Amino acid sequence: GQNIDQPTEMTATEGAIVQINCTYQTSGFNGLFWYQQHAGEAPTFLSYNVLDGLEEKGRFSSFLSRSKGYSYLLLKELQMKDSASYLCAVRGPLTGANNLFFGTGTRLTVIP
Amino acid sequence: NAGVTQTPKFRVLKTGQSMTLLCAQDMNHEYMYWYRQDPGMGLRLIHYSVGEGTTAKGEVPDGYNVSRLKKQNFLLGLESAAPSQTSVYFCASSQRGAQETQYFGPGTRLLVL
Repeated sequence: GQNIDQPTEMTATEGAIVQINCTYQTSGFNGLFWYQQHAGEAPTFLSYNVLDGLEEKGRFSSFLSRSKGYSYLLLKELQMKDSASYLCAVRGPLTGANNLFFGTGTRLTVIP
Repeated sequence: NAGVTQTPKFRVLKTGQSMTLLCAQDMNHEYMYWYRQDPGMGLRLIHYSVGEGTTAKGEVPDGYNVSRLKKQNFLLGLESAAPSQTSVYFCASSQRGAQETQYFGPGTRLLVL
């Protein structure tokens, strides 16, 4: 089975740094994705990790530890437009259409 | 290049009515997916397709049927709608590789009374 956990809500201040954690237990692992979803909109791709370590992409970075079943998304220099839900998704066994299993999402609110 | 499009954007149904949601993608992607998103539940896979003429069940397939007669289109049908099917439905598509991300459509908000 698949179990993916992330905090439900977080609040952070504009200009600050926030870390959103994701822990997972899956039968097979072939990568972890982070998506951003603004209210009423579609999820959009942020990052992909398949090997241990940190992937940096501008203000956003994502970290993976496969041995610990743990990932985090780091957002720096927070802006008001970063207020959104952040979805952690794990790619399990490479069967079917490389299906993703999603966590429930973390709703981030950035305050002035 | 429109990406992934969905029609309709919003629909209200009465219990027992039927409807079809249409998803179209212009990226020549092999794989297509239908999800539903409910508060506190995250995205859950309903059905998916690995190519034209082929479909398979996902995590929550009951009450839904799908068809993929053309590579670019993936249809989701509700034969007899129930209030439990009130949700936001997202279609997505992707290339074949394990590292490939899924691209999502804008969603269809469905209310079943």
